[in-house]
Formats: sequence, C-alpha cells, structure tokens
Amino acid sequence: AQSVSQHNHHVILSEAASLELGCNYSYGGTVNLFWYVQYPGQHLQLLLKYFSGDPLVKGIKGFEAEFIKSKFSFNLRKPSVQWSDTAEYFCAVRGTNAGKSTFGDGTTLTVKP
Amino acid sequence: GAVVSQHPSRVICKSGTSVKIECRSLDFQATTMFWYRQFPKQSLMLMATSNEGSKATYEQGVEKDKFLINHASLTLSTLTVTSAHPEDSSFYICSARDVPVGDTQYFGPGTRLTVL
Repeated sequence: AQSVSQHNHHVILSEAASLELGCNYSYGGTVNLFWYVQYPGQHLQLLLKYFSGDPLVKGIKGFEAEFIKSKFSFNLRKPSVQWSDTAEYFCAVRGTNAGKSTFGDGTTLTVKP
Repeated sequence: GAVVSQHPSRVICKSGTSVKIECRSLDFQATTMFWYRQFPKQSLMLMATSNEGSKATYEQGVEKDKFLINHASLTLSTLTVTSAHPEDSSFYICSARDVPVGDTQYFGPGTRLTVL
C-alpha cells in the first residue's frame, strides 16, 4: 500500500521568506509524485509533478520540488513566498502501475504581509 | 488547462433522502474519474475509482450500496448518496484523469453536502 506523510501541519511565514514543505512517501515500486495547492475557496490545482527524468522539477508560480529517491522524499520549495501563496498544500503519490493517488494530510501555509 | 465541473456546488437535504452529484470534464475525455471525500482540516480520502462503461472500484470501508457511482460517458460521472444521514455531511470532490494524454488529474470545485 502507498502512503504519504507531510510533516508540517501549519507553517506561518512572513513575505519574502523561503519555504520548504516536507513530503515523504512509502511505496514499493516506481512512483509518480505531485504537489497540489488549494487556495481559500477554490478547488485543488496542480502545482507540479514528477514522472521521470530530472529529479528537480519546476512548477507554476515559482515553486519547485526535488525528488530524492534514496530518502523517499519530494519536498516543495519556493525561495521567496508572497501573501498570495497562503493556501493548503497537498503532496500526493501514485504508483506507476496503480490508477489512484494517495494524498498527504496537507500543510496549511499562512504568509503574513 | 482542463476543466472539471461539479453540480451542485452546495446541497442541503433531509435525512433519508438521496442526493445526486454530477461531475463533468468540460474539454477533455476522462476515461477514469475519482471520487473523494474531504473532512474539515483533513486530506482527501479516495472513495472510489470510476472507469467509463464499467463498475466502479470502491476503497475499503466505502459502502458501494450507499454511494452509487455511474460513469456513463467519457465526460460524465455521477455520485448518488442514498438514504443520506448527518454523518454523510462532507465535501465531495471529483477528479478526472486525461489518460493517456498528460496523465494528470484535474479536480472539480467540490460539492458541500449537508444532511439535516
């Protein structure tokens, strides 16, 4: 079975601070990895995804994530956050042979202006 | 990008009644659709995976007779909550996957169900 662990439940930052949200997964095979964002009152949107190739993937709005296979991690980063980044962030994993994704519990990011 | 719509966005019903939620992929064909349930301050819990033209695959612990899923076309899936009870009150989210192109899941805006 696949599982996802997000270590930070709630992160509070000031604008321009750097962000790193942790995500670790458990799965006994090759995976696809995703980060989704849910802005207040809006639906889930894909931030970025990793399928194969370069383990450092860049997504929308200046976000990036690095897949470290040896650590089963896929941490999300942004060098300088903005107030508009306030949202809920979800990491998800999907086995390449599985049809379904498993989501982490989410991290609430609050950016203070 | 691809758009997934859900209808209704919000529904309030009496205990014992049934509620149908529609999920549509607006500009792509979705061979596979997923239904999730999200509790406040919690993650998405996958309820079932729906493949067009075949029976849905339910996750462990999800009652298939209570949560009826129909995926009649490549752009429409429906979730019917039968004989709803207050504990069924939740946020229901559908997702469609544009297999084989892109292989990305697109999420609907969700439906808030409140059972009185």
